[in-house]
Formats: sequence, structure tokens, C-alpha cells
Amino acid sequence: TQLLEQSPQFLSIQEGENLTVYCNSSSVFSSLQWYRQEPGEGPVLLVTVVTGGEVKKLKRLTFQFGDARKDSSLHITAAQPGDTGLYLCAGGSNFGNEKLTFGTGTRLTIIP
Amino acid sequence: SQTIHQWPATLVQPVGSPLSLECTVEGTSNPNLYWYRQAAGRGLQLLFYSVGIGQISSEVPQNLSASRPQDRQFILSSKKLLLSDSGFYLCAWSVGAVYEQYFGPGTRLTVT
Repeated sequence: TQLLEQSPQFLSIQEGENLTVYCNSSSVFSSLQWYRQEPGEGPVLLVTVVTGGEVKKLKRLTFQFGDARKDSSLHITAAQPGDTGLYLCAGGSNFGNEKLTFGTGTRLTIIP
Repeated sequence: SQTIHQWPATLVQPVGSPLSLECTVEGTSNPNLYWYRQAAGRGLQLLFYSVGIGQISSEVPQNLSASRPQDRQFILSSKKLLLSDSGFYLCAWSVGAVYEQYFGPGTRLTVT
């Protein structure tokens, strides 16, 4: 069974600070995705990384896929209240399996 | 563009009553379809997924069932609801090799 552990589980920081969220597994994934979910809504896809060591930037968000494709990180620079939400990582396997393995989630709160 | 609809948005049902949640996708053909349940502020639990009409894979043994009567329609059902069935139910679709998933707005189910 593939598992994805996210840390921290909860994070509350002041507006303008930087933060990093981690997504770790003992399993290898063919792709890794990050989603953000706001209360009462469905998760929204932020980014997909598919190559070990890949780094993608989305404005103030930087996503990295580990060299061994077992872990990923999300770094937010100069956090804003609009970044508040539940962040979920999800790993995909292309071995004839159409499912994603979702992480345990990180609840991020940015204090104005 | 693709859109996904879920209804109802909220539902309050007594224990022992039946359930039917519906999900439809527009703007794509032969999508993979998924039902998830999410406890408050937590990660996603995959309940069922489908790669085609009439093809349903169950991930968690329980009193829920799923059906896919049409290519872009996915239904979650129960004959008798339990208190533990309360939660936020999300439908999602995907196409392509990396299985990026796109979620509906969700249904908040409260079993009383």
C-alpha cells in the first residue's frame, strides 16, 4: 500500500512569512500533484511534476519533486491570506493503475 | 471546456434511509470517474472509481455502491445510511497518462 505523509499537519503563520510543506513516501511515484482546497469546495489542481528533481514555479509557489520521486515539497514565499487552505499532495503510478494516492493534508492559515 | 456537476450540494438524511448522489461531466469523453469521501479537514478516501460504462472498482467495503449508467454519469448510492456515512463527498474525473484529477463542488451529507 502506498502512503503519502504530509508535514506539518497544521501551520499558522503571519502574512509575509515564507513556509515549506513536505510530502514524503517510501514508494516511488510516476507523477506528483499538488492541490489546494478551500472550505466547502472541491480540491483544485495547482501543479503536476513528473521528472525526478523537477522544479516548477507558480508565482510565489515553488514545487519540487525529489530526485528519487518519493517525495515533494511546496514552498510559498511571502504568504498572503489568499494562500489559506488545505494543501494536498497526490502521487500517481502508471503501472496500469488509474488511481492517485492522496496525502494526509496540511491545513495552512495565513494571519493578516 | 470541461465542467463537472454534483448534486445535491447538501443533504440531511435519517439513519436507515436510502441515498443517491449524482455526478455528471461535460466537455470530455470516456473519462475516468471517482468518488471520494472526506472527513472534516482531512485527506481524501477513495471509495469507487470507474474506467468505463458499467466498470466499477470498489476500494473500501461498506454499505455504499456506485454505478456508471452513461459515459459521463457516476452515481453513488446506499440502501440504508449509517451515521458513519456522514461526510463531504467529492466526485472527480481524469483523462490522460498522469491522471490529473478535476473535482466537483462536493455534497455535504449529514446522517441524523
